[in-house]
Parts: sequence; structure tokens; C-alpha cells
Amino acid sequence: DVVMTQSPLSLPVTLGQPASISCRSSQSLVHTDGNTYLNWFQQRPGQPPRRLIYKLSNRDSGVPDRFSGSGSGTDFTLKINRVEAEDVGVYYCMQGTHWPRTFGQGTRVEIK
Amino acid sequence: EVQLVESGGGLVQPGGSLRLSCEASGFTFSSYSMAWVRQTPGKGLEWVALINTDGSAKHYVDSVKGRFTISRDNAKTSLFLQINSLRVEDTAVYFCARDPGWSVDYWGQGTLVSVSS
Repeated sequence: DVVMTQSPLSLPVTLGQPASISCRSSQSLVHTDGNTYLNWFQQRPGQPPRRLIYKLSNRDSGVPDRFSGSGSGTDFTLKINRVEAEDVGVYYCMQGTHWPRTFGQGTRVEIK
Repeated sequence: EVQLVESGGGLVQPGGSLRLSCEASGFTFSSYSMAWVRQTPGKGLEWVALINTDGSAKHYVDSVKGRFTISRDNAKTSLFLQINSLRVEDTAVYFCARDPGWSVDYWGQGTLVSVSS
């Protein structure tokens, strides 16, 4: 199985400051069709995950543009330009290129 | 509005069985692959099973093969997960999820399965 490794696992941030989460995969996530099926999810307490980013860098409808996804091959990043209070939660990367699909361990974002 | 509502979870003894259901609405159910994903405090999120649009193709994570069966009823816009030979390590919140292709774009609220003697 493809192992997804996130860092850091805990990220205290100051309101209004940027934040960055890294996700690395044990195999390339470039599909034979040329797409990179790397997704990012946000999970707030007591809620199911919510997709923020799909296919590496595409923002879902309603997701603020302060969220952005980037990367290539085995190395990926989720950036939050200016953290707001509502961004508190756990963030997960997930690869959809290989079966079984696998998730990272999660990164907990909290306000300092 | 897309809605996925799970039911069927509960407390069961090791070796027991449960059938989870997911009622879908707000989209053309028969046009989407569907999945079950579970979440535990210890192991995090784990993809359990995937079924294609007409139910002809099913995929399972190795840890549940032979014990779990995913199925769907497109006429009733429902997804199911039959879980047999339950183990303590199957304790988790089970989410029903819509798969638009190589991803999940909508999740249900989840149903808790607890396996304990």
C-alpha cells in the first residue's frame, strides 16, 4: 500500500499568519492518465471530513482562496495564506491514484 | 443538496455481524461510485470498500476481504456494507462517501460500530 506521511502532526499558528502542511507518498502519485490524484481534507471536531483540494491543486466550490495545494510526484503541500479561527481542525492528505486509497495521519492545526 | 445518511451501527460482540446502510439523496445515485471509509482514533482514516456505478466491480482493503461485502440498490438510492466476523479492531466510525473518481467529494455523518465482549 502507498504510505502517506504528513508533517508536522501538530501545527500551532498565529491568526493571520501563513501555515504549511507537508505530505509525502511512498510511491509516485502520477496516474497513467497523467493526473495526480492527491486530495486534501479538513475535519473539524465532531464533523466528517470536508474536501478542500482535489487533483493536486483544484479547490472545491466554496473553499476560500487562502487554501492552495501544490507539489508533484511524491511531495505535496497544503498552504493556508492567512489562518483564520475557522481553520482549526485536522487536515488529511489522501491519494486516489493507487488501490487501496490511503490517507495521511493527519495534521492538527490550532491557534496559538 | 447532496445528503448521505448512514444507519445500522451499534455494539456487537466479536464474531458478530452488522449491516450498515446509507441513504443517498440530492444527486443521481446511479451515476457515482460509492465507498465506505472508517475512522478510528488509533489508525485514523482507512478506506474500506468501493463499488462502481452498477455494482459489477467491488474493491476491498486487505484487512476486510472475505468478511465485508459492499453492495448497492440504485432503485432505492442506497449503499450497504455487510460486516461479518467482526473483530475488536473493526471498532470505528463508518462513513458512507461519494466517489467522483479517485477521490471522495461528499461524506455522511458516520455511524459508530463498537466491537466488544
